[in-house]
Amino acid sequence: GEQVEQLPSILRVQEGSSASINCTYENSASNYFPWYKQEPGENPKLIIDIRSNMERKQTQGLIVLLDKKAKRFSLHITDTQPGDSAMYFCAARPMSNYNVLYFGSGTKLTVEP
Amino acid sequence: EAAVTQSPRSKVAVTGGKVTLSCHQTNNHDYMYWYRQDTGHGLRLIHYSYVADSTEKGDIPDGYKASRPSQENFSLILELASLSQTAVYFCASSPGLGGTNTGQLYFGEGSKLTVL
Repeated sequence: GEQVEQLPSILRVQEGSSASINCTYENSASNYFPWYKQEPGENPKLIIDIRSNMERKQTQGLIVLLDKKAKRFSLHITDTQPGDSAMYFCAARPMSNYNVLYFGSGTKLTVEP
Repeated sequence: EAAVTQSPRSKVAVTGGKVTLSCHQTNNHDYMYWYRQDTGHGLRLIHYSYVADSTEKGDIPDGYKASRPSQENFSLILELASLSQTAVYFCASSPGLGGTNTGQLYFGEGSKLTVL
């Protein structure tokens, strides 16, 4: 399987600043790392992902970094807006069971005006 | 847009009672999953299935059974519900890994279960 640790569990930032969430994984053979956003009362939705053959990926104000050596990946939200307030989950997929995602414990992000 | 529907959306059950949570997908996906969400624990995998009439155990299968009678339907069964099973349960489907597919999960709306 896989163990994914996610920090911080709670994050408050001011509107317009950036927010960073960090995750570590144990299985060095894991090769796919998605991030899901869950708004209050909603289901989780994929917002960005990165494969192990990349170190950085960026889309629409989101940046994902992957450090395979350290077995660490992170999500950076630039120029945060109140609409970014939500729960964020990182996940990892191990090669041993490549159709199962193992999730971190989540980060509750609050963007304050 | 992928479509995964769960029923019921909310349920109150008594300790020791039987609970069945149902999930239906119209995505023609091979893979279906049941996750449990608790504060501080994120999403934990209970059971999953990659083909009809077959299920696999996830990380926390104890106290749960699963049934996949068809590609479209996947149920989670709590034979003897306990207080500790109070949680939000999410069903998800996925096309699996292959070709351009990354194995993205498409989640249902969730089922809030309260066991009293």
